[in-house]
Amino acid sequence: DARVTQTPRHKVTEMGQEVTMRCQPILGHNTVFWYRQTMMQGLELLAYFRNRAPLDDSGMPKDRFSAEMPDATLATLKIQPSEPRDSAVYFCASGLLGGRLNIQYFGAGTRLSVL
Amino acid sequence: QKEVEQNSGPLSVPEGAIASLNCTYSDRGSQSFFWYRQYSGKSPELIMFIYSNGDKEDGRFTAQLNKASQYVSLLIRDSQPSDSATYLCAVRRQGAQKLVFGQGTRLTINP
Repeated sequence: DARVTQTPRHKVTEMGQEVTMRCQPILGHNTVFWYRQTMMQGLELLAYFRNRAPLDDSGMPKDRFSAEMPDATLATLKIQPSEPRDSAVYFCASGLLGGRLNIQYFGAGTRLSVL
Repeated sequence: QKEVEQNSGPLSVPEGAIASLNCTYSDRGSQSFFWYRQYSGKSPELIMFIYSNGDKEDGRFTAQLNKASQYVSLLIRDSQPSDSATYLCAVRRQGAQKLVFGQGTRLTINP
């Protein structure tokens, strides 16, 4: 059963601490997306990679957020330092892009609480 | 104007009735359209996609696309309580990699 795997599922941390979220995309998928979801803003795209290369990170606060894809099986999203306003659910999605379709499959998410 | 707009709801529908969810988009160059379902506390899951004008049916679900009116809808026939969820409309622009999501419509099916 192919699925996107995210760790940790839940994270509670104090303001100022570093937070790292990890994502294992579906094997064979060439594109990875990071989203943040809050009640107020809905689902926002933070960054995405194709074939491990960052294509767009314009949705990400550059001063504290960073996203990398060190290899085809791992994508990371890091927040340093974390702030209470970063509290949200962070989703990773992967897809095999080509042609007209752009089907993205979502992981279960990381629920982050910054106190 | 938001790129993708949905009525946030909540939309309440009696069990067995047809639920109709609507979405409008602003970019005429949009090419592909998706409906995701998200249960409370869970991640979005794809239920339908469409890229040609007209209707596309899959079981109890029908997606409808009207590019001239920049409108896409999702019909759920014979609604079940298990259909209660938030439904997210997503749109892909021509030539773009990413999807733009609407805010979602919360649907409640009343037994």
